[in-house]
Parts: sequence; C-alpha cells; structure tokens
Amino acid sequence: QVQLVQSGPEVKKPGASVKVSCKASGYTFTSYGISWVRQAPGQGLEWMGWINGYNGNTHYAENLLGRVTMTTDTSTSTAYMELRSLRSDDTAVYYCARESVAALIDCWGQGTLVTVSS
Amino acid sequence: DIVMTQSPDSLAVSLGERATINCKSSRSVLYSSNNKNYLAWYQQKPGQPPKLLIYWASIRESGVPDRFSGSGSGTDFTLTISSLQAEDVAVYYCQQYFTTPRTFGQGTKVEIK
Repeated sequence: QVQLVQSGPEVKKPGASVKVSCKASGYTFTSYGISWVRQAPGQGLEWMGWINGYNGNTHYAENLLGRVTMTTDTSTSTAYMELRSLRSDDTAVYYCARESVAALIDCWGQGTLVTVSS
Repeated sequence: DIVMTQSPDSLAVSLGERATINCKSSRSVLYSSNNKNYLAWYQQKPGQPPKLLIYWASIRESGVPDRFSGSGSGTDFTLTISSLQAEDVAVYYCQQYFTTPRTFGQGTKVEIK
C-alpha cells in the first residue's frame, strides 16, 4: 500500500534551519509529485510548495520564497523539505503528501512537529 | 491566488441527520478543456493527517462511505454527509488544485448535537 513516512519531531531555535524527510513506498516515486503542507497549532492547512518526483522541478508558495528548499532522492524514494531562518510562527506540523499528475493530493504522511522556541 | 471560503465554520448535527458544508472559490476551478472541477474535500480527525474523501468535486475516493457526497461546479461546492455517524466528527476542508498555490478553505468543524 502507498505509504509516506516522515522523520521525527524537531525542536529548533529561532534563526536555525530544519530539514524534514518523507520516505515513499508502495508506488513509483517518479510518477508522482510531493507537496508539503503545514498546519500551525489549532489552525488550518497551508500549502508550502510542490516538487516533481521525476525531474525535481519545484513551485514554492510566495510567502516562503528564499527560505524553503524542496529536494528529492529518487534512489531512495525520499523527499526533503528544508526551511531556513526559522521563526516562532513556523511552529507547526509539517506534512508531505503525494500529488498526482492531475495535481490531486491523495495520500499524506503522518506529519512532523517542528517547534521553534528560544 | 484563489481564495476558498467555507461555511459554516462549525456545525452540530444530531446522529443520523444530514450535515451540509459549503465551499466557495474566488474564481472558477472548472477546466473547460476536460469539463472537470479541480476541487477536493478532506476529512481531518484530531491528531491525524487529512484524508481524501472526494475529488473532481463529486467522485468518492475508494473506501469512503457512500453517506459522503460532493456536488457543485465552477465556484460553488457542497459536501453532504447524509446520515451523520459518531466517527464523522472531524474538521472538513475543501481545496482547489486548479492552480498553484493550491489553497484550502479554513475548515468546518462537525460535531454531534
């Protein structure tokens, strides 16, 4: 079955960086994209960006440009999301999600809690 | 950006009764070349990731109970739970995948009355 397994929780200080991994299994990694979505405590869902699993093309949310980088390692079917210059309002659960060719998100990772605190 | 607005923000429905959630997009998410609405509905229970319920505005994902249905086209959409069950308590989100950035509604919390 399709599975996305994310790395564990992180605690970071303001100004630091975090890199979250998302290992895919149960499907052909290069046939789909990976979207990243975050959810601040008690809040709704915010799309952060997308990476094409085949060629690594990316599209980032405008408010994160310059701070976020999404990459993939096709040899291990793993996607990564790095967020730099962390602020307290980056505290959130970060989800990776599989995105089909038609741009539909149909499967989600379990989420990774990133806490930014001094 | 396409803004997605859901109503209501929350609703309480008796077990076995109908629950209706509305979602309005700031511009059409209907792609004329294939006549598909790029609109999905997700269910999120506490402590869990979202789960896909409906895509193309009205197609039920495999394994989703048939009490869940989606309708609408263009800019106005509806998710209906025909007979609310206890396990349906959750927050429901609509999302457009017509263009980037993908955008979500603010969520509708469904509770038991």
